[in-house]
Amino acid sequence: DTAVSQTPKYLVTQMGNDKSIKCEQNLGHDTMYWYKQDSKKFLKIMFSYNNKELIINETVPNRFSPKSPDKAHLNLHINSLELGDSAVYFCASSLRAGGHGYTFGSGTRLTVV
Amino acid sequence: AQKVTQAQTEISVVEKEDVTLDCVYETRDTTYYLFWYKQPPSGELVFLIRRNSFDEQNEISGRYSWNFQKSTSSFNFTITASQVVDSAVYFCALILKANSKLTFGKGITLSVRP
Repeated sequence: DTAVSQTPKYLVTQMGNDKSIKCEQNLGHDTMYWYKQDSKKFLKIMFSYNNKELIINETVPNRFSPKSPDKAHLNLHINSLELGDSAVYFCASSLRAGGHGYTFGSGTRLTVV
Repeated sequence: AQKVTQAQTEISVVEKEDVTLDCVYETRDTTYYLFWYKQPPSGELVFLIRRNSFDEQNEISGRYSWNFQKSTSSFNFTITASQVVDSAVYFCALILKANSKLTFGKGITLSVRP
């Protein structure tokens, strides 16, 4: 069983569309994250949820909205997609907030055309 | 504030050479954790090591070794007798106990030529 699974793995969509990326972890971790990796490979945190509560919300356009229905799931919804949103999005989880190692999903490559 | 600097951007070596990847970090917190991740061409992020700020012992795992020096705020990674399969992007990262934000360096692209 995959510990942190993201779907879809690839997503190609047109500008202006709305799309969602789903993430699920079966590790029993309390904390989940979304990271964005840009074309230069730079990894930056976007959001973090601890037990369904938002604890980190970096400077991200409000077109991006995370949703955590339970502590095993953290989905990312993106409205009105723009060309600059093209990137790889990684979901991750950790046992608890603060200092624990992350387990990453395999990433979702989003291409906006 | 927390920051990780990986000054090397690309390194190319011939197989069987040793290579050291540098990592310098900045934080005023006394309790923190340092990580190295590997990102092979397939794209996934593979955890290599986690080290807490109170443990400066060097660590060796097979061909991999890590040198943590608080005096210079460095956490360097050495691959001995490199192999083609070591070709990847390597990220150093820092997280504070006080928060959950794993901050990455910009990564080092390592190419190992046969």
